[in-house]
Amino acid sequence: SQTIHQWPATLVQPVGSPLSLECTVEGTSNPNLYWYRQAAGRGLQLLFYSVGIGQISSEVPQNLSASRPQDRQFILSSKKLLLSDSGFYLCAWSPDGTYGYTFGSGTRLTVV
Amino acid sequence: GESVGLHLPTLSVQEGDNSIINCAYSNSASDYFIWYKQESGKGPQFIIDIRSNMDKRQGQRVTVLLNKTVKHLSLQIAATQPGDSAVYFCAENLGAGGTSYGKLTFGQGTILTVHP
Repeated sequence: SQTIHQWPATLVQPVGSPLSLECTVEGTSNPNLYWYRQAAGRGLQLLFYSVGIGQISSEVPQNLSASRPQDRQFILSSKKLLLSDSGFYLCAWSPDGTYGYTFGSGTRLTVV
Repeated sequence: GESVGLHLPTLSVQEGDNSIINCAYSNSASDYFIWYKQESGKGPQFIIDIRSNMDKRQGQRVTVLLNKTVKHLSLQIAATQPGDSAVYFCAENLGAGGTSYGKLTFGQGTILTVHP
């Protein structure tokens, strides 16, 4: 069966520090991968999605970037974190985009 | 579309009552709809889905109704339990073709609180 792993679960980082969040999917090939951010008490905002290795599309211009170095690995990065980058980051996958997503357990990022 | 900047509406019910959570979707071309449940500090979990060629689908204690005429989706939870307390999101899928790439557009979410 397919599983999605996301880490770390929580992270506290100072302003100006770099960020790397990792997401991996097991049990499937060539999944569609997505990064979402959720501010406290808010809805889900799509940040990036990828339909294949090295293919990244950005939905919202911001201080973050994404990469997909391997088929089942999706990384969210920042060179210098801002206070406004705080939030709950969720990775998700879909087999081919025709159905819904399966979400990871999320990373709670607090920038201080 | 995505309601990222809005505070979420709330629904409070007593244990055992039936709950109805409503959602208005944005795109008449959407062909697949999903309800997710998100508990505090966790990722959203799939509850039930429905395709646009249906107007009703039932699961265990949950029913989704789709009204394409007014672009409205609802989730009914029967005999609501304290464990049902969570945030509920609807989502629409524009399909895998074209430039949609299967992206889901989420509704704003509703906070359901079930009182014992």
